[in-house]
Amino acid sequence: GDSVTQMEGPVTLSEEAFLTINCTYTATGYPSLFWYVQYPGEGLQLLLKATKADDKGSNKGFEATYRKETTSFHLEKGSVQVSDSAVYFCALWDTGANSKLTFGKGITLSVRP
Amino acid sequence: GAVVSQHPSRVICKSGTSVKIECRSLDFQATTMFWYRQFPKQSLMLMATSNEGSKATYEQGVEKDKFLINHASLTLSTLTVTSAHPEDSSFYICSQFMAGSAYNEQFFGPGTRLTVL
Repeated sequence: GDSVTQMEGPVTLSEEAFLTINCTYTATGYPSLFWYVQYPGEGLQLLLKATKADDKGSNKGFEATYRKETTSFHLEKGSVQVSDSAVYFCALWDTGANSKLTFGKGITLSVRP
Repeated sequence: GAVVSQHPSRVICKSGTSVKIECRSLDFQATTMFWYRQFPKQSLMLMATSNEGSKATYEQGVEKDKFLINHASLTLSTLTVTSAHPEDSSFYICSQFMAGSAYNEQFFGPGTRLTVL
């Protein structure tokens, strides 16, 4: 079956540090890949997505590239801010009759001033 | 983005009681709604998918009679945990699929923390 594996957390960084959050996946079909973010007290929000190999999703300074050869979709940001403190979920949507979102465990990012 | 609300945000109940959680879309009509469950430090697990006016489709291992889902309108879905027990304590999250949007456009509620004593 489908699965998403995220690096273990939590992650604590200083403001303006470089961020990388690893995500790898297994899928039976040709999935679309997503990063969702959950700020304290709020619902999950779509951060970015990529629907085919070599696509790069980007939003709010975050980027992730769909790497089919390594089955990865790592999230990066060049300079994090305190406001980026949240929980980040990697997810995939596999095509097929029973399409659904499969999530990773999520990782908590804390950015200190 | 679209706004989805959940009520209550937090509930504590005694073992054996039933708890209803509401999921509302505030600014769009949702043809499809999803209910997820999240244990501490675990990923979101899909419990069921429901379409307005029809019965919910439950994921394998999810008890239909235990977790009753009603999708009575395009803006409201409810999840009722019947005869709750401590092992049902979890974080429940709904999401709604906007009619006419891309197939992967889901909007999530803020979640409901259920604690069963």
